[in-house]
Amino acid sequence: QKEVEQDPGPLSVPEGAIVSLNCTYSNSAFQYFMWYRQYSRKGPELLMYTYSSGNKEDGRFTAQVDKSSKYISLFIRDSQPSDSATYLCAPRGNNRLAFGKGNQVVVIP
Amino acid sequence: DTAVSQTPKYLVTQMGNDKSIKCEQNLGHDTMYWYKQDSKKFLKIMFSYNNKELIINETVPNRFSPKSPDKAHLNLHINSLELGDSAVYFCASSQTPLSDTQYFGPGTRLTVL
Repeated sequence: QKEVEQDPGPLSVPEGAIVSLNCTYSNSAFQYFMWYRQYSRKGPELLMYTYSSGNKEDGRFTAQVDKSSKYISLFIRDSQPSDSATYLCAPRGNNRLAFGKGNQVVVIP
Repeated sequence: DTAVSQTPKYLVTQMGNDKSIKCEQNLGHDTMYWYKQDSKKFLKIMFSYNNKELIINETVPNRFSPKSPDKAHLNLHINSLELGDSAVYFCASSQTPLSDTQYFGPGTRLTVL
């Protein structure tokens, strides 16, 4: 089993829809949870991070962590074409990030 | 100003050759990383240096040798290139090894023929 599992997609949604992305992890040493966004042919950039179970909101983005089930979610409200990218779940523990394969999202105008 | 830069951006070479990729960061960070992203987009850490000292060395063939001449630079030398080395290699940096945010470079797309 890989440390971090994500369904790579692609997930196509119409502009304005809510996007729901999920990620599971297996290593209990992971204590911090990041979401990185990667545009095509670019390096990843940090989108959000959270330390604890529960929700964290930042503008149109909400990150949700359930440590008991090792399940992480990212929600994008009012999706825009500029949100079209790959979203990488990246829990951190033992001084390193472990990246999932990413969820590719396409927002259709 | 570019925060994390890599050269070259593209690298096409024959099997068996030796090549180097260079990375520089102007953020004043202590920690730098090399990641490999394969054709399935899986991003995997290879090495990490903190203050020029190797702190993470994942299971990587010893044909790959990182070098950090100073805190702002981390280079990657690859000997005897193989077809399976074809990937995008990303350099990243962070303030410390425990920092939440890593800043990634634009990537070096390596194609081995």
